[in-house]
Formats: sequence, structure tokens, C-alpha cells
Amino acid sequence: DTGVSQDPRHKITKRGQNVTFRCDPISEHNRLYWYRQTLGQGPEFLTYFQNEAQLEKSRLLSDRFSAERPKGSFSTLEIQRTEQGDSAMYLCASSPGGGVAAEAFFGQGTRLTVV
Amino acid sequence: DAKTTQPTSMDCAEGRAANLPCNHSTISGNEYVYWYRQIHSQGPQYIIHGLKNNETNEMASLIITEDRKSSTLILPHATLRDTAVYYCIVRNSGGGADGLTFGKGTHLIIQP
Repeated sequence: DTGVSQDPRHKITKRGQNVTFRCDPISEHNRLYWYRQTLGQGPEFLTYFQNEAQLEKSRLLSDRFSAERPKGSFSTLEIQRTEQGDSAMYLCASSPGGGVAAEAFFGQGTRLTVV
Repeated sequence: DAKTTQPTSMDCAEGRAANLPCNHSTISGNEYVYWYRQIHSQGPQYIIHGLKNNETNEMASLIITEDRKSSTLILPHATLRDTAVYYCIVRNSGGGADGLTFGKGTHLIIQP
């Protein structure tokens, strides 16, 4: 399968614990995005990478959230000291570069439940 | 990015054309109209996008009004697998790095 891959698909954690999610984009896509989606809402943009550089972060990305893309390939999203409000689906997307906005390909997401 | 307005939900009979409207009255000249859909428990899937001309691909057709203030996504022969939430998104075309701004979309239910 050559689509966007996310791991794990589901994560249950206790409040206060740290969690880390991984995203493997489509090969050679230099743009990578993280989104968060809560029940009944559309996805909300969190952050964006162009290769290994994190170029934009949403106001939604609090200090407890950190994302990396160390070699411009896979990316990780870490949430420290999780809170119940962090329970959501975390989606990763990738797209090729280029001057015209290109379609984004989404993974199936990681569903986080904080208990 | 300009805001969009979509109906909350729509029904369509299987085999009929599904026409999903979207209003984007504040769209600017360099903003494209994108459509994505999200089937339950999956990530969003790109459908189609356009600037001012009508567009067609293997999934759907996109009709944009001449003043570009509204558009319609057409699924020509809806099947049960087309039941999903459909998002209309307006986005700057200038190679912008910003992410997509999703609203709540239209929940399309295809009835057998």
C-alpha cells in the first residue's frame, strides 16, 4: 500500500501520560500536515511541514504538543501530559510540492482516548 | 480563506444523481474550490477542485457559477458507498502552505 500510513490506529491512555503518534507520508511527498478531529466536527489544522521544516502551527497546538519530521520523511506528533480534552482523531496528510495547491492524501488517523 | 456554507444533511436515492450545493460568496479571485469527503471512520478523501471552469473526473463533476459565489458537486449515479460527509473548502492557490479549513460539511445519505 502506498498511501499515508498512521500508527497506532487506536490509543487509550490515562490522563497525564505522554503519547506519540507516527505518520508515514506517501513517498516523495514533501508536504506533511497534522489535523485533529473531534466528534461531529470537520478536521482542524494543527501544523504543517515542508520537508523537515515546520512552517506553520495553529493556535490549537498548545505547548504540550510537539511535532517533528527529522529527515523529511516520517513525522511524529507527541502530546505531553494528556488531558481528557485531547481525546480526538489525529489525522495526517501529505501532498506533493509545487506552485499550485495540490490535493492532500489523508491517512486513516489515530484515535486517541484519554481516560 | 473564504468561508463556505453547506446544508447539514441531504438524502439521495441510490442510482440517482446527488447534487451537493455550497455557498462561498466571499471567495476571491485566486481561491480554488475543493471538495473532499469522509466516509465513517476513515480519513478525508480528495474528490475534485476547480477555479472557475466546470470540472469533471472519474468521481464527480464540479459546477461553479459564473460569479463564483457558489458551486455544486454532482455525483452522477450515487451508490450506497457514497454515503459520507462532504466538505466544500475554499483555498488560496498560490502554493500556500496553510492547511485546509474544513467546516462541518454535508452528511449525504444514499437511500437504497
